[in-house]
Amino acid sequence: EPEVTQTPSHQVTQMGQEVILRCVPISNHLYFYWYRQILGQKVEFLVSFYNNEISEKSEIFDDQFSVERPDGSNFTLKIRSTKLEDSAMYFCASIFRGQNYGYTFGSGTRLTVV
Amino acid sequence: GQQVMQIPQYQHVQEGEDFTTYCNSSTTLSNIQWYKQRPGGHPVFLIQLVKSGEVKKQKRLTFQFGEAKKNSSLHITATQTTDVGTYFCAGKTNDYKLSFGAGTTVTVRA
Repeated sequence: EPEVTQTPSHQVTQMGQEVILRCVPISNHLYFYWYRQILGQKVEFLVSFYNNEISEKSEIFDDQFSVERPDGSNFTLKIRSTKLEDSAMYFCASIFRGQNYGYTFGSGTRLTVV
Repeated sequence: GQQVMQIPQYQHVQEGEDFTTYCNSSTTLSNIQWYKQRPGGHPVFLIQLVKSGEVKKQKRLTFQFGEAKKNSSLHITATQTTDVGTYFCAGKTNDYKLSFGAGTTVTVRA
């Protein structure tokens, strides 16, 4: 079964450093998403990406965050200057089309900011 | 903005018993989806409901979508230890955003 692949599985970074989280969505999927989940809490929407541009973003997704699909396969989330409160599990997800499909989530990247 | 609320937050169930988790949205949804997240895992898609009043079954799991398309429920019968995890409902109003409820974390007493 096709999978969404995320790397690394765990990233530890110093506060103030930049991190890039990487995702390879399922190849024929068209819509891409980043979500985050602080330990023990709900899955929070960060951003959606379609047709090479951001479709929607949440209030969490401020100027410190950016997304890219640099080469038609990878989908990256960059956090420019990490804060302690950015520590969370970050999930990438993709779907083939928008309306009537379930999301396929990757296994996540656990980001720890120290 | 859209909010999806889910209760209860925790459900401790004796093996073999039934339970229900409930989901309510502050706005009318185009569809609602349910996901299961095992401890340490990622959300896995279970089902999607689209039509008003829709009921779908997956073995011991029964999913309902309310007539007003603002609420949903998941009922599990004869709970097994394999049912352990967190069940999230997630509501959709457009193509670009799925809003998750807080989840119901299920533990099972053997």
